[in-house]
Amino acid sequence: DVKVTQSSRYLVKRTGEKVFLECVQDMDHENMFWYRQDPGLGLRLIYFSYDVKMKEKGDIPEGYSVSREKKERFSLILESASTNQTSMYLCASSSPGYRYYEQYFGPGTRLTVT
Amino acid sequence: DQQVKQNSPSLSVQEGRISILNCDYTNSMFDYFLWYKKYPAEGPTFLISISSIKDKNEDGRFTVFLNKSAKHLSLHIVPSQPGDSAVYFCAASPNAGNNRKLIWGLGTSLGVNP
Repeated sequence: DVKVTQSSRYLVKRTGEKVFLECVQDMDHENMFWYRQDPGLGLRLIYFSYDVKMKEKGDIPEGYSVSREKKERFSLILESASTNQTSMYLCASSSPGYRYYEQYFGPGTRLTVT
Repeated sequence: DQQVKQNSPSLSVQEGRISILNCDYTNSMFDYFLWYKKYPAEGPTFLISISSIKDKNEDGRFTVFLNKSAKHLSLHIVPSQPGDSAVYFCAASPNAGNNRKLIWGLGTSLGVNP
C-alpha cells in the first residue's frame, strides 16, 4: 500500500521561528511536491523536486526553501515564519513513468503561525 | 491567469441523483485531465483520468467527458451517495516534455444530501 507521511498533523509556531515540515514516501518515487491549500485558492505549488538534490520553484516559492538529501524525503523550510504562512501544507509524490499524472498525497500539516 | 477553471465553488445534490462537476481549460497542449477528490483533514486522492485523445472514460459510478472543441470536461457521478461529499479538484497535465507538474483548478465542494 503506497504511503506518504508528514511529520506533523498540526503545528503551532510563533512569528519569526524557523519551521521544518518533513515528508517521507515509501514508493521510490522520483518526483516530490509541496503544496499549500487555502480556502478559495485551491492547491498552490510551492516547490517540487524531480531527483535527489534537485529542486524547482513552483508558483509561490517566496518565503520557503526545500531540501532533498535522500530520495524518499523532501523537507519544506519556512526560514522566518509569518502569519500569512498559516495554511494547510500538503506533500505529494509521483513517478515519471506510467501514470505520471497520479500524485499521492500525505494527510497534510495544518500550520498556524501566531 | 488560471489555465484550469472550476467556475462553481459548490454544488448540492440529492442522494441517488446525478452530480455533474464542470471544468474549463485554456491550453490545448494538455495531454491528460484528472479529477482528484479531497475530504477535510486528508490529502487529495486520485479519482479518474482522461487522455486528451479520448472523449469519455468510465470507472464505476464515475464518468469523465471531454469536449476538446469547447475546452471543457465534466465529471458525472451516478448515483450520488452521501460519501461522495468532498471537494473535487480538476487538474491537467502538460505534454510529456514537462510531465512533472499538474495545473490545478480551485475545486468544487460537493454536498450530497441524504
